[in-house]
Amino acid sequence: DQQVKQNSPSLSVQEGRISILNCDYTNSMFDYFLWYKKYPAEGPTFLISISSIKDKNEDGRFTVFLNKSAKHLSLHIVPSQPGDSAVYFCAASDNYGQNFVFGPGTRLSVLP
Amino acid sequence: EAGVTQSPTHLIKTRGQQATLRCSPISGHTSVYWYQQALGLGLQFLLWYDEGEERNRGNFPPRFSGRQFPNYSSELNVNALELEDSALYLCASSLSGRDEQFFGPGTRLTVL
Repeated sequence: DQQVKQNSPSLSVQEGRISILNCDYTNSMFDYFLWYKKYPAEGPTFLISISSIKDKNEDGRFTVFLNKSAKHLSLHIVPSQPGDSAVYFCAASDNYGQNFVFGPGTRLSVLP
Repeated sequence: EAGVTQSPTHLIKTRGQQATLRCSPISGHTSVYWYQQALGLGLQFLLWYDEGEERNRGNFPPRFSGRQFPNYSSELNVNALELEDSALYLCASSLSGRDEQFFGPGTRLTVL
């Protein structure tokens, strides 16, 4: 039973447009969410996080939105660049990282 | 500052053998996490060590075990290897259980 779901295995976006990656979770105890980016042959790198006391967090071109009632979060990348092409993982944890769960990832391709 | 390092980069074993994977966290980080990424799957949480203690483990059989040393480096041991253990094993470290994790490049384990 997947507690963190990323229902789109892949996404293609034109350079300069907005990329929206979605993530849904089932465990209502999750209160801290992170997005990681992974290039081939490299470990994931941290992008941005949000705690459940906020509904939006912004860092440059990256914005994460959290809808607690829908148990849904999304990562917006604006404008998308070819270098953003990677696999994006959504992750969630509760309490003191007792339950750190990653989604299956979404492969983003930004087309020039 | 050096990132998370893992060794070896690649490891080839046969079924039934044991594999030992090593991880050195970023200096100052006390938490070390192990993840398995099998082909086509997301990151599956294996183990979390903090201050030398095992804090949590994922849904893996007991033949997956590990330890954390006084210098916070960690070892993952997989006994009685099975073909389906072939995967990329990622180690991550963080300052504490709630901070973002910094990943190493991974060890690719192939079981023949």
